Amino acid sequence: AQSVTQLDSHVSVSEGTPVLLRCNYSSSYSPSLFWYVQHPNKGLQLLLKYTSAATLVKGINGFEAEFKKSETSFHLTKPSAHMSDAAEYFCVVSDPNQGGKLIFGQGTELSVKP
Amino acid sequence: DAGVIQSPRHEVTEMGQEVTLRCKPISGHDYLFWYRQTMMRGLELLIYFNNNVPIDDSGMPEDRFSAKMPNASFSTLKIQPSEPRDSAVYFCASSFRVPNTGELFFGEGSRLTVL
Repeated sequence: AQSVTQLDSHVSVSEGTPVLLRCNYSSSYSPSLFWYVQHPNKGLQLLLKYTSAATLVKGINGFEAEFKKSETSFHLTKPSAHMSDAAEYFCVVSDPNQGGKLIFGQGTELSVKP
Repeated sequence: DAGVIQSPRHEVTEMGQEVTLRCKPISGHDYLFWYRQTMMRGLELLIYFNNNVPIDDSGMPEDRFSAKMPNASFSTLKIQPSEPRDSAVYFCASSFRVPNTGELFFGEGSRLTVL
């Protein structure tokens, strides 16, 4: 079965410093991977997706993620954090054995200090 | 576009009462999903529809939960009778592509508290 593991439940950075949110996946197939963001009291929003094209994927708001098959990782990065980036981030994998059902990680809460 | 619209945003009820959550998907989207989010279990898919037909309801916790989609622009999730362990945020999402493309559009959620 497909799964994702988000290695940090909480990450804190200072404004203007880089962001790294880590995600490892488990998949028997070439996976489809995604990152979603959830701001407080809001629904989830798709940040970016990887579907076996370019391994470096660019998303909205300056975020990007790199698919590394050898490391089974799909870490989310941003060169410079902004206060508005404070939110919960979810790494997600699609399971083809379950009709493409999305499997969500437990989430990483990102705090940004001024 | 107004996005996915859910109502009510907040619901507080007593154990044993019936709860109905409502969702209006984005026009033109033919997939609709109901998710539940809790601290303990994270995000769980309860059920999803394609063209108003339930495709996978394996995530529905038990018979107390039911979902319907009478037309392309409206869906309900009903809990009867409600229990304290049903307290959670319930999200509706819609998509115009098959689920594995991952491009779901979420509503802002309905926060349910069962006392």
